[in-house]
Amino acid sequence: NAGVTQTPKFQVLKTGQSMTLQCAQDMNHNSMYWYRQDPGMGLRLIYYSASEGTTDKGEVPNGYNVSRLNKREFSLRLESAAPSQTSVYFCLIAGVLYNEQFFGPGTRLTVL
Amino acid sequence: QKEVEQDPGPLSVPEGAIVSLNCTYSNSAFQYFMWYRQYSRKGPELLMYTYSSGNKEDGRFTAQVDKSSKYISLFIRDSQPSDSATYLCAAGGTSYGKLTFGQGTILTVHP
Repeated sequence: NAGVTQTPKFQVLKTGQSMTLQCAQDMNHNSMYWYRQDPGMGLRLIYYSASEGTTDKGEVPNGYNVSRLNKREFSLRLESAAPSQTSVYFCLIAGVLYNEQFFGPGTRLTVL
Repeated sequence: QKEVEQDPGPLSVPEGAIVSLNCTYSNSAFQYFMWYRQYSRKGPELLMYTYSSGNKEDGRFTAQVDKSSKYISLFIRDSQPSDSATYLCAAGGTSYGKLTFGQGTILTVHP
């Protein structure tokens, strides 16, 4: 996970609270992605940003918003958290070659 | 039906065994295929990738893709306890990070 940082590592929220998950990279790659991982479901794409200034929806975008703050940083916001958003969230950085794919260490979120 | 299906296991094998992990996919537009290894409470790490059909070997690991049958495989030779992890298959198109993942297979290699 070198070069990709995610904050916070853990978070517990109550239903209806908001929070922002942060992802930062120091590898100078253009593409950044947010995935969630749930038991029995694998990883599912929430939102992605192919380059600075652009964002697009993935498979499961409802309840989330994103901001590509600059080339280094991509944030994921939960405006009104729901128990269904309890998950482990991973940021993925992708370069221009197939083997340039790096996941962050993850954020474990529990919504009560 | 998920676009990429993977048997979640768990799979338990003795040290030294050959391990075969498999996935099937349904989307003909997928062009490249990846295998990730994920240790407990860590992020996935890219293990192997293959473009289109064929085999790719890296040390004890061999990845196979058969596009005619939409079948993805990972073989681990001489398995070690350190190979114990969850293995995730994934498939994608031209956007390298926009991937569809299987559910993951939990592998335990016991001494």
